[in-house]
Amino acid sequence: DGGITQSPKYLFRKEGQNVTLSCEQNLNHDAMYWYRQDPGQGLRLIYYSQIVNDFQKGDIAEGYSVSREKKESFPLTVTSAQKNPTAFYLCASSMGSYNEQFFGPGTRLTVL
Amino acid sequence: AQTVTQSQPEMSVQEAETVTLSCTYDTSESDYYLFWYKQPPSRQMILVIRQEAYKQQNATENRFSVNFQKAAKSFSLKISDSQLGDAAMYFCAYRSADSGAGSYQLTFGKGTKLSVIP
Repeated sequence: DGGITQSPKYLFRKEGQNVTLSCEQNLNHDAMYWYRQDPGQGLRLIYYSQIVNDFQKGDIAEGYSVSREKKESFPLTVTSAQKNPTAFYLCASSMGSYNEQFFGPGTRLTVL
Repeated sequence: AQTVTQSQPEMSVQEAETVTLSCTYDTSESDYYLFWYKQPPSRQMILVIRQEAYKQQNATENRFSVNFQKAAKSFSLKISDSQLGDAAMYFCAYRSADSGAGSYQLTFGKGTKLSVIP
């Protein structure tokens, strides 16, 4: 059954700690994305990757880092430099030529 | 930069009735794609419908249809025969058709919360 998985569903961290959110897809999609969602806001793009070993900053990349070593995986690290990391994080993927982005179930990160 | 505006933070509809959600966007491009996504309480984003800007015909998917007015930069979503399962946040999104860098990016509106009254 093809899809996108994100783990964990809920994540709690202390302030000042780095944390890595997992995103895996088995759709054989080339492109992957990370979005952040805050209450009352739409989704904002953090990073995206069109191919393995390449990624680009989105609108709000400060305080985040990513890697794309495998086509199926696009982990997001929320660093201590991110001033307000508590949010809902959504990962998505798409086949480059088709336009539709498929989303994972999301991870709710709470920094205490 | 493109912007997407959803002017209705919340709306409600009686079950079995029809409701229209509004979306306007700002762009200088002539070729692009528009989407409506649904986010139910589970928070999983689900694509409802898409529209290619070069197509004059409005897209339709079962009970969901759009009214695409390119000159007015308007892209409204009509839900017919509303069902309880339609209750969700609805997001309008824009994507450039330009093959250059950033063309994969979706720009989202802030969403409209739809309630369905039994």
